[in-house]
Amino acid sequence: NAGVTQTPKFRILKIGQSMTLQCTQDMNHNYMYWYRQDPGMGLKLIYYSVGAGITDKGEVPNGYNVSRSTTEDFPLRLELAAPSQTSVYFCASSYSWEGAGNTIYFGEGSWLTVV
Amino acid sequence: DQQVKQNSPSLSVQEGRISILNCDYTNSMFDYFLWYKKYPAEGPTFLISISSIKDKNEDGRFTVFLNKSAKHLSLHIVPSQPGDSAVYFCAAKKGDNDMRFGAGTRLTVKP
Repeated sequence: NAGVTQTPKFRILKIGQSMTLQCTQDMNHNYMYWYRQDPGMGLKLIYYSVGAGITDKGEVPNGYNVSRSTTEDFPLRLELAAPSQTSVYFCASSYSWEGAGNTIYFGEGSWLTVV
Repeated sequence: DQQVKQNSPSLSVQEGRISILNCDYTNSMFDYFLWYKKYPAEGPTFLISISSIKDKNEDGRFTVFLNKSAKHLSLHIVPSQPGDSAVYFCAAKKGDNDMRFGAGTRLTVKP
């Protein structure tokens, strides 16, 4: 039962460096999401994808890029890391977004610190 | 623009008692509400949800109440157990892919 797997779990970046957070799901879900959670705040949507080849901006997309070349994978790219991007990042997926009982499945989180 | 608010950052209850976690929202267009539970170093997991056309949904020890006129929902856990100790996030959805989360309430259930 792998579910949603994201790597790395922890990473320290220097200002200006770039990196990619990897996310893969094995549930054949169409929808995938990237959230960030800052201390004392709720999760905020960075980007989402409704299917392979389709991505769209969420609430806080600046400083990030995504791609969705396959149904399973949804990597998040930070091009020029800034201290404001220090956060916990959660990848998530869902089958669809309609109807009662539909849920989003989250990965375990990636702790990113930019120094 | 905090559309979903959980005003209590923490809550402590005794084992066996009722835990009541509260959530307020400002956007009357939200049509679906969810509660997630999060343990340390893990991702949030879905707990229970309610559609805006209902005022109550129950699943075992967990019940969610929705008061649309007050834009308020609450999660009741009864009886509370030490394993319920976690951070609980309230979330509200409007249409496709627009879900907003509260900041979370840390519940501690004392044996």
